[in-house]
Amino acid sequence: GQQVMQIPQYQHVQEGEDFTTYCNSSTTLSNIQWYKQRPGGHPVFLIQLVKSGEVKKQKRLTFQFGEAKKNSSLHITATQTTDVGTYFCAGISGGYNKLIFGAGTRLAVHP
Amino acid sequence: SQTIHQWPATLVQPVGSPLSLECTVEGTSNPNLYWYRQAAGRGLQLLFYSVGIGQISSEVPQNLSASRPQDRQFILSSKKLLLSDSGFYLCAWRGWRADSYNEQFFGPGTRLTVL
Repeated sequence: GQQVMQIPQYQHVQEGEDFTTYCNSSTTLSNIQWYKQRPGGHPVFLIQLVKSGEVKKQKRLTFQFGEAKKNSSLHITATQTTDVGTYFCAGISGGYNKLIFGAGTRLAVHP
Repeated sequence: SQTIHQWPATLVQPVGSPLSLECTVEGTSNPNLYWYRQAAGRGLQLLFYSVGIGQISSEVPQNLSASRPQDRQFILSSKKLLLSDSGFYLCAWRGWRADSYNEQFFGPGTRLTVL
């Protein structure tokens, strides 16, 4: 079945450093979504990418969708302590908007 | 606005006991509803989804079951819990607004510990 792999599993940075997480799918994706889960909380939708090669920005966050629509990345510039959490990518599988989630990248930011 | 509720927030149950987790959505109609399980430090595993009352699709074989007795109510059950059922159970919904993404909105979750 379809798999979505995400690396790294964990990243520890100093505040102000950049951070990137990568997502790869075993199959071509119609779109990809990114979610953030704060410690102890529930996942919250960040963004959806649909077009091949698409790049979207949300303040310090930059999201990219690969040309082949099989990979994606999230880059955070100058991390802050508020960026702490686990970032998940998710691809849609089949109908009914079923999401296949990557294992997530847990980001720790030290002041 | 739409809101999603889950209860209980935390639960500690002995092995072999039954389980019933409830999820309700307000402010929308005919949503797609989903149950996920998240093991500690892991990703989200889709367990069940429903596109309407009485319509349940199971993603993985297990000793859990789901039911949707009303449009905005989704219930996760088990007759006999296993140790491996421990985890963070999340309910999510997806509406049908034409101007929205396909995003899913998650409830606050239930932390289940089976001892």
